[in-house]
Amino acid sequence: NAGVTQTPKFRVLKTGQSMTLLCAQDMNHEYMYWYRQDPGMGLRLIHYSVGEGTTAKGEVPDGYNVSRLKKQNFLLGLESAAPSQTSVYFCASSQRTGGLHFGNGTRLTVT
Amino acid sequence: AQSVTQLDSQVPVFEEAPVELRCNYSSSVSVYLFWYVQYPNQGLQLLLKYLSGSTLVKGINGFEAEFNKSQTSFHLRKPSVHISDTAEYFCAVSGVITNAGKSTFGDGTTLTVKP
Repeated sequence: NAGVTQTPKFRVLKTGQSMTLLCAQDMNHEYMYWYRQDPGMGLRLIHYSVGEGTTAKGEVPDGYNVSRLKKQNFLLGLESAAPSQTSVYFCASSQRTGGLHFGNGTRLTVT
Repeated sequence: AQSVTQLDSQVPVFEEAPVELRCNYSSSVSVYLFWYVQYPNQGLQLLLKYLSGSTLVKGINGFEAEFNKSQTSFHLRKPSVHISDTAEYFCAVSGVITNAGKSTFGDGTTLTVKP
């Protein structure tokens, strides 16, 4: 099984540009999440979804939007990128309990 | 609200020595607890979890952790570490009902195993 797959692995944007990060999972998990990881700050939850067609804000949602049109996919969008959004982004999925399954991350640089 | 504090940002240790990585949590509701490991340029991998039952839980790679409700701690231990255990370790908490599925992470502990 592929588990959780994130696309792309790397991306460089200029300030003001937009992009979408794609996350796909093949474990039939109900819950999906987007986290960002910055040095010394652990992982912070951006948005999450508890099922197809539902999304909710996490700890740091400003500047991001998400959609979950299909159970296996969770998209993270940046409408107007800012240098403060330079980070490593991780997608994860889970059932209601049992721990998260993570993708390998997307390294985003905004210049 | 829930939070996690990892008490050591860096832990250096010699190969074959024991190690303990400390984690305290705060929550007003019942919780599940987790430890994850992250190797360079990879995502996080679940090491072990406490959901209910025995307070001593065993995970992969010879790690174990003990849930102490009175001290709100979930420390990670390994009796003898290897060079390959060098990585970053994250403690996380999620609610059983309130905040179910939403994990809050600590800032991480970098374990460096020296030969």
